[in-house]
Amino acid sequence: SQELEQSPQSLIVQEGKNLTINCTSSKTLYGLYWYKQKYGEGLIFLMMLQKGGEEKSHEKITAKLDEKKQQSSLHITASQPSHAGIYLCGAGSSGGSNYKLTFGKGTLLTVNP
Amino acid sequence: KAGVTQTPRYLIKTRGQQVTLSCSPISGHRSVSWYQQTPGQGLQFLFEYFSETQRNKGNFPGRFSGRQFSNSRSEMNVSTLELGDSALYLCASRRGVTEKLFFGSGTQLSVL
Repeated sequence: SQELEQSPQSLIVQEGKNLTINCTSSKTLYGLYWYKQKYGEGLIFLMMLQKGGEEKSHEKITAKLDEKKQQSSLHITASQPSHAGIYLCGAGSSGGSNYKLTFGKGTLLTVNP
Repeated sequence: KAGVTQTPRYLIKTRGQQVTLSCSPISGHRSVSWYQQTPGQGLQFLFEYFSETQRNKGNFPGRFSGRQFSNSRSEMNVSTLELGDSALYLCASRRGVTEKLFFGSGTQLSVL
């Protein structure tokens, strides 16, 4: 089964600093999702990447997909306390169907004011 | 448009009991998935229903079951609860199988 490894597991940054979270898949990626979660709550959709080389941005968050490396990165520019939370990457189980989304264990981000 | 609604929000049960969790998807969404989230294992897929049929199932024992009704609402049942079943149970819906998931706020289950 597909496994997604996220790094780092946790991250503490000072407000205003940039940061990057990585997600590496054990198998070919057929679409990659990024979600954010506040502790004990549901997941909020951030972005979906479907093609190799694709890059998407939303406000100060940018995600990229490197199909060859089976990896995606999430970059936050000028972090703010509102960016704090758990970031999870998710990927479909097989090409085109996404019947079953597998998620990484998440990266806990703390932003100190 | 209302989001995914899960009830109850919190639940406390004792070992050996059974529990039923409910999920109402976003209007128009026919697919409902269930996930279990624990600090050690992370987010793990339980099963997915589409138009009242179970489409896919994760690696969980038969004590975990679910169903979907004609109005797309879904229920998940766990019988003979064990301490290790304590977790946040998340429900997610989507319009079609290739679209993104919309998650509910979850049901926090504590088994004592």
